[in-house]
Amino acid sequence: DAKTTQPPSMDCAEGRAANLPCNHSTISGNEYVYWYRQIHSQGPQYIIHGLKNNETNEMASLIITEDRKSSTLILPHATLRDTAVYYCIVSRGGANSKLTFGKGITLSVRP
Amino acid sequence: DTEVTQTPKHLVMGMTNKKSLKCEQHMGHRAMYWYKQKAKKPPELMFVYSYEKLSINESVPSRFSPECPNSSLLNLHLHALQPEDSALYLCASRDPSLNTEAFFGQGTRLTVV
Repeated sequence: DAKTTQPPSMDCAEGRAANLPCNHSTISGNEYVYWYRQIHSQGPQYIIHGLKNNETNEMASLIITEDRKSSTLILPHATLRDTAVYYCIVSRGGANSKLTFGKGITLSVRP
Repeated sequence: DTEVTQTPKHLVMGMTNKKSLKCEQHMGHRAMYWYKQKAKKPPELMFVYSYEKLSINESVPSRFSPECPNSSLLNLHLHALQPEDSALYLCASRDPSLNTEAFFGQGTRLTVV
């Protein structure tokens, strides 16, 4: 699975949009981009995933560049409960696929 | 039911003890994963089971022994652990036939004394 690179931390004000970047320059054609988050010592929680089109669900939007070498997770109206470590993972499906976590980005939402 | 249930939530064991961690899901997922997570670090993949067979072992020491007795259950048997094995152990499951998300349990907090 391709590796990902994320800045170590960022913060944003409550109620504003949080834009979390991820680089995955070695992604291959059959690999999806997944985003998970982990709130202090809980199990990781799935947020969203996509292949090449932009995706939106009730939690977030995922913007993938046309060359698929980077993506941005957008939390449209961040709340204090969104403070967490966010992981961008590149993975193909299939029986023997891994879900390999990088270092993630710590998002701090300030009041 | 989209839950992955891990038991126990907390475990303290001595270095000579034998214990087991349990993970259960009823989503029909045929891929199951064990991860180890040390404080302030990302989860680290240990094992992947696919269709009840071990498909990936990330060079994990033999004192950790996984077992998948059926499609809903995943165990991690622990023996002769070291204090540095103290960590949060996470289980996850996924449908291996689709490009869908994995579901994670809340983990077992293991302390080796």
